[in-house]
Amino acid sequence: GAVVSQHPSWVICKSGTSVKIECRSLDFQATTMFWYRQFPKQSLMLMATSNEGSKATYEQGVEKDKFLINHASLTLSTLTVTSAHPEDSSFYICSARDRGRSNQPQHFGDGTRLSIL
Amino acid sequence: SQKIEQNSEALNIQEGKTATLTCNYTNYSPAYLQWYRQDPGRGPVFLLLIRENEKEKRKERLKVTFDTTLKQSLFHITASQPADSATYLCALSDSNYQLIWGAGTKLIIKP
Repeated sequence: GAVVSQHPSWVICKSGTSVKIECRSLDFQATTMFWYRQFPKQSLMLMATSNEGSKATYEQGVEKDKFLINHASLTLSTLTVTSAHPEDSSFYICSARDRGRSNQPQHFGDGTRLSIL
Repeated sequence: SQKIEQNSEALNIQEGKTATLTCNYTNYSPAYLQWYRQDPGRGPVFLLLIRENEKEKRKERLKVTFDTTLKQSLFHITASQPADSATYLCALSDSNYQLIWGAGTKLIIKP
């Protein structure tokens, strides 16, 4: 089945640090990748949609200069949380959709737990 | 705007019984609806997809129904096992095929 690898799984760092999270589709090509944020016992909140070779589309209220997204290839998207602060602490999850299949399921990574001290 | 409602209270079911989870939506009927399972500290795992023109979908012990009149989907797990304990998320497509997510229902299967 479709596998998405997300790295790192856990990050603890000081306030002001920038953190990069990688999302890779291992056995399929992902034209579109999604970045979510999830707080405890809450729904997945879509932050941005990342399309290979083009700029990401950010959801309302998500700062594009704060959360930098790069989708340089069909198998890799990265999310960089710039100058992270304690309020950025959360569970970040990426997902990928198989190329050309807009109505198919999303395949998720195992998430990154980000803790900013 | 479209809203999705899943029972926020945990559902406790005795092992061997059928667990039924509910997903209600408030606005337009989506082109398709998906159910995912999420374990603590993990990403969601896709389970089933049902389209608006389908009434029911099955996969092993899982069954999903889709009632566009009631604006509701039901997710059933038959012969439930403790390993089925997890949070189950419902997601609906919008007009751009983006997914709108429910908050999930925590299912606890007691041995």
